Amino acid sequence: DTAVSQTPKYLVTQMGNDKSIKCEQNLGHDTMYWYKQDSKKFLKIMFSYNNKELIINETVPNRFSPKSPDKAHLNLHINSLELGDSAVYFCASSHGTSGARTDTQYFGPGTRLTVL
Amino acid sequence: AQSVTQLDSHVSVSEGTPVLLRCNYSSSYSPSLFWYVQHPNKGLQLLLKYTSAATLVKGINGFEAEFKKSETSFHLTKPSAHMSDAAEYFCVVNTGTASKLTFGTGTRLQVTL
Repeated sequence: DTAVSQTPKYLVTQMGNDKSIKCEQNLGHDTMYWYKQDSKKFLKIMFSYNNKELIINETVPNRFSPKSPDKAHLNLHINSLELGDSAVYFCASSHGTSGARTDTQYFGPGTRLTVL
Repeated sequence: AQSVTQLDSHVSVSEGTPVLLRCNYSSSYSPSLFWYVQHPNKGLQLLLKYTSAATLVKGINGFEAEFKKSETSFHLTKPSAHMSDAAEYFCVVNTGTASKLTFGTGTRLQVTL
């Protein structure tokens, strides 16, 4: 009965490869997010989707492309992986249909991506 | 614009003694403020949140935080630390119309015997 799940938990790959991380939430939430946590533990939002529609798109290289097939899923596809992409990527979801600032965001367990 | 400053990158306390993790925020609008905890190799868990109701907010595991507008602070406290409290703690602010959280840089809490 996991609320927000991500697969895989660990991902090790070579530079230049393309990879995807999947996220699913069973909370019935309307909004989903991707965050990147760097080696110094700093967390920064990358994208946010509300009902399959992109609402936040931070300054992220266009090698990163989120895809939301339905409101319960938000996948992250990364092309031409670089060393600097190594990080922990967290998916999150929240209830609000309009992205209310009071909404609690629920986080997945994270995916540790290592690019060699 | 919004920002969060966690004043200590590392705090060490003895088990059974009080915990104080400091956080100051900056925002143009009335903020929502959150504290999240991250245990090693785990995801983030919400401890508590302030959303313009009571200024003293109680959270899980005995933690609480007080919103002080005059000091632009939202410090996290616990009367008595437990070994299981050892983790990374993040103070987070959201003032925008979209749910765009801005995270502090984190405070690592170490609890010693």
